[in-house]
Amino acid sequence: DTAVSQTPKYLVTQMGNDKSIKCEQNLGHDTMYWYKQDSKKFLKIMFSYNNKELIINETVPNRFSPKSPDKAHLNLHINSLELGDSAVYFCASSQDRRAGENEQFFGPGTRLTVL
Amino acid sequence: GQQLNQSPQSMFIQEGEDVSMNCTSSSIFNTWLWYKQDPGEGPVLLIALYKAGELTSNGRLTAQFGITRKDSFLNISASIPSDVGIYFCAGPGIQGAQKLVFGQGTRLTINP
Repeated sequence: DTAVSQTPKYLVTQMGNDKSIKCEQNLGHDTMYWYKQDSKKFLKIMFSYNNKELIINETVPNRFSPKSPDKAHLNLHINSLELGDSAVYFCASSQDRRAGENEQFFGPGTRLTVL
Repeated sequence: GQQLNQSPQSMFIQEGEDVSMNCTSSSIFNTWLWYKQDPGEGPVLLIALYKAGELTSNGRLTAQFGITRKDSFLNISASIPSDVGIYFCAGPGIQGAQKLVFGQGTRLTINP
């Protein structure tokens, strides 16, 4: 069974469109994340939610809006897509344990291409 | 902000060789995580280190948490073709455990 799943796997769209990426985890974890991986493979955190509450919001344009309907789901909606949004987006989750212990488990990624 | 520097950035080796890569930081990290990313897939956690000086193995992989808390290394023994991929080190940022900072990755290529 897939632990962290994302849909779609590939997303090709025109500039200016609005799109959403969905993420679900069946690990029973409390915290979920969105990361962006650029063309040089650099991974950078965008958002983090703990039990449906936003706890980390990096310097991300407000065109990006995460939504967590429950602690097993964290979706990412992107408005007015721009060319620079093209990247691979990864969802991840972790279970909060002792302070400093944070093993994050990643989904397979969504490759977004904006034309 | 905090940064993790991985070296080498890429490696080209023969099958069967041992591999060594490391990760350094100018600031102290209390946790070191090593991930591997296969092409078209998400990063997969290989080894987690939580104590300075800790040496942990996972099959042919061995990782160590540096005594200074500013570095970690990952060794792969007797490499095989499926070891190909990008290896990332990561650690919690200043803001806390939830924010992981990633190194830029070491890309491993194996010639059969």
